[in-house]
Amino acid sequence: KAGVTQTPRYLIKTRGQQVTLSCSPISGHRSVSWYQQTPGQGLQFLFEYFSETQRNKGNFPGRFSGRQFSNSRSEMNVSTLELGDSALYLCASSPVVVYGTDTQYFGPGTRLTVL
Amino acid sequence: DAKTTQPPSMDCAEGRAANLPCNHSTISGNEYVYWYRQIHSQGPQYIIHGLKNNETNEMASLIITEDRKSSTLILPHATLRDTAVYYCIVRLTQGGSEKLVFGKGTKLTVNP
Repeated sequence: KAGVTQTPRYLIKTRGQQVTLSCSPISGHRSVSWYQQTPGQGLQFLFEYFSETQRNKGNFPGRFSGRQFSNSRSEMNVSTLELGDSALYLCASSPVVVYGTDTQYFGPGTRLTVL
Repeated sequence: DAKTTQPPSMDCAEGRAANLPCNHSTISGNEYVYWYRQIHSQGPQYIIHGLKNNETNEMASLIITEDRKSSTLILPHATLRDTAVYYCIVRLTQGGSEKLVFGKGTKLTVNP
């Protein structure tokens, strides 16, 4: 099976712009989670989507948003970019099992640089 | 906040076993222990997870103490490619809605 794919892999934007990042989960996986990784804060949870609905949200401002499509693909959007939004943005997918545990598998990430 | 405590760094000689400890003294009965690793600037890679029993797969072994308050990840024959940051995560899973809370992890350096 192909792994989680994220596009683009690298992105350079300027302050005030907005950006959209894309994530394609592993085939058959129905949940998609997003994480932000910075040197100062480490890996932090942004939000999680299942069946096109946001089920869980981290402590990030409203400038960060996301959505999930009927094919489980997901996008996240950051509006009015700030220098501090420079980070590695990671997407993870999981199958959503009824019983037992549910393992998240990560993509390679999108490196966003805000100038 | 992360519910686990790990040493910030460890060294291991190539070909030897690497034993990475993790303390999770407040773990609940239905929480799993997960291990991921992250090689520089790549996405975290799932390694192994367990609830009560010891687990082994092609990558590693996971030893969980009987009281479940600590665990050890064992890489039986470490190679240079195992140099990475290793994260131990305690996670309650309910259909995937529970987020992963990452701590700072252990930076493992495998030396030739």
